Amino acid sequence: GAVVSQHPSRVICKSGTSVKIECRSLDFQATTMFWYRQFPKKSLMLMATSNEGSKATYEQGVEKDKFLINHASLTLSTLTVTSAHPEDSSFYICSARGTTSVNEQFFGPGTRLTVL
Amino acid sequence: ILNVEQSPQSLHVQEGDSTNFTCSFPSSNFYALHWYRWETAKSPEALFVMTLNGDEKKKGRISATLNTKEGYSYLYIKGSQPEDSATYLCAWVGINKFYFGSGTKLNVKP
Repeated sequence: GAVVSQHPSRVICKSGTSVKIECRSLDFQATTMFWYRQFPKKSLMLMATSNEGSKATYEQGVEKDKFLINHASLTLSTLTVTSAHPEDSSFYICSARGTTSVNEQFFGPGTRLTVL
Repeated sequence: ILNVEQSPQSLHVQEGDSTNFTCSFPSSNFYALHWYRWETAKSPEALFVMTLNGDEKKKGRISATLNTKEGYSYLYIKGSQPEDSATYLCAWVGINKFYFGSGTKLNVKP
């Protein structure tokens, strides 16, 4: 149980385009989803927390107009990187938290974004 | 900025060796510490959730200890196998947030 999928696993796009990444909880309802970003050899850094049906809460320094997060259902959250630039190239990973255990997060496998 | 540090950054051992690595974290306002095992191209897999000072947890050949007063946790692997090769992450849990270390990448050579 507690499987989270993430799609796509890898994406290459041109500078100026927008990219959408999906995060799905497959066998549980995720009331809260988290989006992280990881630079090479660095820690996973929390970008934003989203609760189903409400606006995401962004961490300091994360541009909400740049990284659009939607959590429209209990099984799906999306992160859209708008007008992507090479500096947005990174590894993005989501996690989901259900209702039975608020102390656990279940992770997707991540998305490698490369902006040319 | 909350600092969670893991050492070493990477580790190469021979099959059959036992090994351990460290996660250091702030000792104040401690709530929980999580350990994850993360294989390339897969989702991080939860190993342990540790909450009490002095906690020791074990899962097969892998075990972990927790010292919240001095702010560290050790992860031990006994008799390492090639399938143990992965990155091991720790996460300090605050109010509604996880703060991750940068991981220890373990490579076990057959």
